[in-house]
Amino acid sequence: EPEVTQTPSHQVTQMGQEVILRCVPISNHLYFYWYRQILGQKVEFLVSFYNNEISEKSEIFDDQFSVERPDGSNFTLKIRSTKLEDSAMYFCASRSQGAPNEKLFFGSGTQLSVL
Amino acid sequence: KNQVEQSPQSLIILEGKNCTLQCNYTVSPFSNLRWYKQDTGRGPVSLTIMTFSENTKSNGRYTATLDADTKQSSLHITASQLSDSASYICVVQNQAGTALIFGKGTTLSVSS
Repeated sequence: EPEVTQTPSHQVTQMGQEVILRCVPISNHLYFYWYRQILGQKVEFLVSFYNNEISEKSEIFDDQFSVERPDGSNFTLKIRSTKLEDSAMYFCASRSQGAPNEKLFFGSGTQLSVL
Repeated sequence: KNQVEQSPQSLIILEGKNCTLQCNYTVSPFSNLRWYKQDTGRGPVSLTIMTFSENTKSNGRYTATLDADTKQSSLHITASQLSDSASYICVVQNQAGTALIFGKGTTLSVSS
């Protein structure tokens, strides 16, 4: 089965530093998402992206966050100045064009630790 | 407020036994309900997706039910295996194409 690939699997950074989390969605998918999961808590929606623009974002996704699709394959999440509370597992997800209730495929996540 | 509540929080069963996990939601309007399996340190994997008009859906040993009137769903696992040990997450989408609303999950441990 095709997979969503995320790199790196683990990222450790100092508070205030910028980080970029990378994702390669499934090749024919057109809708892209970032979710995060703080340890022991539920998965939370951050942002959705379609046709080269943000289609929906949560209140977590403030101006410290940005997303980009720099080429035809990568989808990135940038955190401009990390805070301790940004420590979490970040999941990228994608789905194909079609009915909005189609299956969403998740990557294995990037564990971000902010020190 | 749109919420998804799951019970029990955790469950331990013997290999080969069946179990049922519960989900209650207050999400409105309602588009669909999904069950995901999440292994430790991995991303969620979709098991079933049900829309308003569907009240049961199976995927191998997993069978999900949905009662849209009472806003309840269950996931039944038959003849459990050690590899079923994971977190099972109930997820609701309130309008087609919008963000998914996740429950906290039920942690299932299957022992031999």
